[in-house]
Amino acid sequence: GAGVSQSPRYKVAKRGQDVALRCDPISGHVSLFWYQQALGQGPEFLTYFQNEAQLDKSGLPSDRFFAERPEGSVSTLKIQRTQQEDSAVYLCASSLARRLEAFFGQGTRLTVV
Amino acid sequence: GIQVEQSPPDLILQEGANSTLRCNFSDSVNNLQWFHQNPWGQLINLFYIPSGTKQNGRLSATTVATERYSLLYISSSQTTDSGVYFCAVISNDYKLSFGAGTTVTVRA
Repeated sequence: GAGVSQSPRYKVAKRGQDVALRCDPISGHVSLFWYQQALGQGPEFLTYFQNEAQLDKSGLPSDRFFAERPEGSVSTLKIQRTQQEDSAVYLCASSLARRLEAFFGQGTRLTVV
Repeated sequence: GIQVEQSPPDLILQEGANSTLRCNFSDSVNNLQWFHQNPWGQLINLFYIPSGTKQNGRLSATTVATERYSLLYISSSQTTDSGVYFCAVISNDYKLSFGAGTTVTVRA
């Protein structure tokens, strides 16, 4: 596609519910990143994929967070047993290769109630 | 990890005014990007500028990598320029490290 696409744009989850956030990167982009943005702050790194390989998951805040990119294209970020502190905007970015210009999707705003 | 500091934190401009936003970083970088986050939350790419100077319409940017800073210039500001401007860098890995942003408000 023309840009990075994320869905849903908004998600309200009850505490304890599992959620899945989708990212469709720019076609041909090898590198894919997930970031978390809290209100009033800059985005923070969560995890990095090169093709289908998850090379870095050091930013995932807990083992309730899981990401995958099984065919090296679409990626899913899953959060199990959501907590209020998980409320944030989740941003996906892709680039042709690591360290090159990154392009971001519109983000998914997650609210846990 | 690398530290990224943006200044000023907030900027209020009258329409038509010029302004300069600054980004300081604590280590050498392989990538530096400027973004504009619109009211709907999307990060819009402004510049990919690890070094040198670029211009795009009323916006221009300069990165002096040896002195570890970058500047974003907005000329003849318009109300549509309002939003948060982020500087983000990649140092010796592949993660973008963001500054805290500069919130720009342009008044008509």
